[in-house]
Amino acid sequence: DGGITQSPKYLFRKEGQNVTLSCEQNLNHDAMYWYRQDPGQGLRLIYYSQIVNDFQKGDIAEGYSVSREKKESFPLTVTSAQKNPTAFYLCASSYGDPWDYGYTFGSGTRLTVV
Amino acid sequence: AQSVTQPDIHITVSEGASLELRCNYSYGATPYLFWYVQSPGQGLQLLLKYFSGDTLVQGIKGFEAEFKRSQSSFNLRKPSVHWSDAAEYFCAAIMEYGNKLVFGAGTILRVKS
Repeated sequence: DGGITQSPKYLFRKEGQNVTLSCEQNLNHDAMYWYRQDPGQGLRLIYYSQIVNDFQKGDIAEGYSVSREKKESFPLTVTSAQKNPTAFYLCASSYGDPWDYGYTFGSGTRLTVV
Repeated sequence: AQSVTQPDIHITVSEGASLELRCNYSYGATPYLFWYVQSPGQGLQLLLKYFSGDTLVQGIKGFEAEFKRSQSSFNLRKPSVHWSDAAEYFCAAIMEYGNKLVFGAGTILRVKS
């Protein structure tokens, strides 16, 4: 079955370390997105990419970086510059016009920085 | 500023009772509107969407939503809630070119038996 795979489901890192969250999709979707979810704040857009080798900053990109070398993959790196990285991270993708199909979401990665 | 507001952080309803979750948006035109549901620790599932046409839209799991332009609202309803409906619900909108979804803060639904 097609879908979005985020790994790992839980991730623990020490403060000051960079960490990379994986997002892979086999839906042949062109666009991919990273959202951060914090209790009571909904989902906030970190980065998005509409085609390979191109991506744009979202609303809260500071302290994060991404790459889009393949259509299927959109990894997110949480750098040591991110002041409060502990959160639930969701990856999503869309095919063509999202108003036709909406977004498909992965099951998320919960990052805890200690 | 373009935004989506869900006024209720938590709602508790009895099983079998009706449900209405509120959503308002701030935008100069009619956005593309969505409702998603999230079970704890999981991703989001699309319940329904509105782009144009009939202002009452039907979704999965017995949910419906009504778009009211005059109130800038897109409220989600269900006639009879089941215990399995307990989850967090997000209203979202696409309000500009670029296809970015903007989310409300979410409403946590609790169902009591």
